[in-house]
Amino acid sequence: AQSVTQLDSQVPVFEEAPVELRCNYSSSVSVYLFWYVQYPNQGLQLLLKYLSGSTLVESINGFEAEFNKSQTSFHLRKPSVHISDTAEYFCAVSGIEGYQKVTFGTGTKLQVIP
Amino acid sequence: EADIYQTPRYLVIGTGKKITLECSQTMGHDKMYWYQQDPGMELHLIHYSYGVNSTEKGDLSSESTVSRIRTEHFPLTLESARPSHTSQYLCASSELGGHTEAFFGQGTRLTVV
Repeated sequence: AQSVTQLDSQVPVFEEAPVELRCNYSSSVSVYLFWYVQYPNQGLQLLLKYLSGSTLVESINGFEAEFNKSQTSFHLRKPSVHISDTAEYFCAVSGIEGYQKVTFGTGTKLQVIP
Repeated sequence: EADIYQTPRYLVIGTGKKITLECSQTMGHDKMYWYQQDPGMELHLIHYSYGVNSTEKGDLSSESTVSRIRTEHFPLTLESARPSHTSQYLCASSELGGHTEAFFGQGTRLTVV
């Protein structure tokens, strides 16, 4: 069994300020970790993922996330947010085995304030 | 650009009607999924498929049914819609393997009155 916890349902932050969106997971097996973003009236799209290797992964638009196995966390960070980052962000886990289902968290709404 | 499409985008329908939500992908993905999304709630997996003629129920109990006669098509059917079915339904697809990215459609927002 696996689960994902996103403690913050909404995070307001001023433009150009840093932000951290928290994600903790639990699983009885090794997992892959993902962050997806959902812009208004759209489906989810992959932001970044951790499969193996370096525990710090980056996206093309300046977000980064660090896998911490001891704390079972995969927090998402950005040093300086833009208005266009306003969206809902979902953390997800998937078991290493090919037929494992993807489990999503409840999402965190990031609201960037001008 | 993801090539997965859902129709309709919005649907308002009366109680007791039969409805089918369409989902098609052109990427040749074996795995397809249906998720139910409500505000402030996690995405709940209601159905998934590993390939043609494969369908499985997800974590959330649902009165809907699905079929997978063709790789690219994964429709979801409600035989008798009820107000409790009001929700956003998201379809997704991916290649086999837990490491692969899921591609999502834009969703169907269903309202049952």
